[in-house]
Amino acid sequence: DQQVKQNSPSLSVQEGRISILNCDYTNSMFDYFLWYKKYPAEGPTFLISISSIKDKNEDGRFTVFLNKSAKHLSLHIVPSQPGDSAVYFCAASAYPTGGGNKLTFGTGTQLKVEL
Amino acid sequence: ETGVTQSPTHLIKTRGQQVTLRCSSQSGHNTVSWYQQALGQGPQFIFQYYREEENGRGNFPPRFSGLQFPNYSSELNVNALELDDSALYLCASSTDRSSYEQYFGPGTRLTVT
Repeated sequence: DQQVKQNSPSLSVQEGRISILNCDYTNSMFDYFLWYKKYPAEGPTFLISISSIKDKNEDGRFTVFLNKSAKHLSLHIVPSQPGDSAVYFCAASAYPTGGGNKLTFGTGTQLKVEL
Repeated sequence: ETGVTQSPTHLIKTRGQQVTLRCSSQSGHNTVSWYQQALGQGPQFIFQYYREEENGRGNFPPRFSGLQFPNYSSELNVNALELDDSALYLCASSTDRSSYEQYFGPGTRLTVT
């Protein structure tokens, strides 16, 4: 059962334009969401997060939007740069109730920013 | 500040063998989590250690076991290796067991033949 879904395996965007990466989840217990970026041969790098009590969080060029009623979140990158080309993972977590704070990941979206 | 480090980088083992992977957590972090990332998939949670005790486990069989040491470094042990264990194994550390944000190491690529 895939609780976090990233339905677009790949996305191609021109440099300077907006990149929008989408993520859907099914578990209503999730209360914190994160985006990670991964380059080949490296571990995932934390990018930005959002608590379920918010609907938007912004950090520089990166903004995450959360729509709880639709169980949907998105990551906006503006403007997109060639160095943003990587695999982006959406992850979710539920407040730990003694069982450890595990992250549930989507399958990732490969973003390619073209010149 | 030193980030999360893992060793070895790559490893090739034969089916049925045992393997130990190592992880040093980021300075100031007392919680370590291990994930398995198969090709084309997102990382899957194996287990978490907090102050030397297991603090949560994912859907992995008992032949996956771990340890955390007083300096908060950690080991992942896998017995009776199977071909499907071939994957990237990621270690992540966090400031506390209730912290949402986890910081990952570069991973160990395990190939089982």
